[in-house]
Amino acid sequence: GESVGLHLPTLSVQEGDNSIINCAYSNSASDYFIWYKQESGKGPQFIIDIRSNMDKRQGQRVTVLLNKTVKHLSLQIAATQPGDSAVYFCAEEEGSYIPTFGRGTSLIVHP
Amino acid sequence: DSGVTQTPKHLITATGQRVTLRCSPRSGDLSVYWYQQSLDQGLQFLIQYYNGEERAKGNILERFSAQQFPDLHSELNLSSLELGDSALYFCASSQIDRGGTEAFFGQGTRLTVV
Repeated sequence: GESVGLHLPTLSVQEGDNSIINCAYSNSASDYFIWYKQESGKGPQFIIDIRSNMDKRQGQRVTVLLNKTVKHLSLQIAATQPGDSAVYFCAEEEGSYIPTFGRGTSLIVHP
Repeated sequence: DSGVTQTPKHLITATGQRVTLRCSPRSGDLSVYWYQQSLDQGLQFLIQYYNGEERAKGNILERFSAQQFPDLHSELNLSSLELGDSALYFCASSQIDRGGTEAFFGQGTRLTVV
């Protein structure tokens, strides 16, 4: 597959470790936030979302935390696996329902 | 497989030329979104169509245009191409007039302008 090729922040972890990917968003009026995963050669894929009236939401092996005070979003991946290696994007939406994407973080999981 | 089909997968063309990228949304999805992903800009929203009508516009250049046909497939037309237009172009679709959870992305078209 093809890589996105962006000059991105990179997080390297060992298989089995927990990963935390951070994102600072810009619009204080954003009311909906999404994390996407993009594997090499593929389009972004939805992972988990959270609305602004929540500060935490859990999925299967993933947790999203939202801190509206400092406009910060994080994605926690438990027991990271090699298949989790990808670029992770946060996106924010305000009313218009069009997600605005952040620059992304490259996660590399070493077996 | 997201169910969104984009063609072609790769496209190489010269500056000044015009190309058309095609997107077939998931069955039943009425909304189509186009995004550009370049090395220095990340994922940029270009334009959205809903049931044949333009619904929202993002950072789309005047040299670019799009349309959604009665069968709901969409085409993105890029003209007077410049080297800086080289990028991945993604189409996403959703069933209702909303992105977020309901939006599914295709595998993209990699455009190289030489």
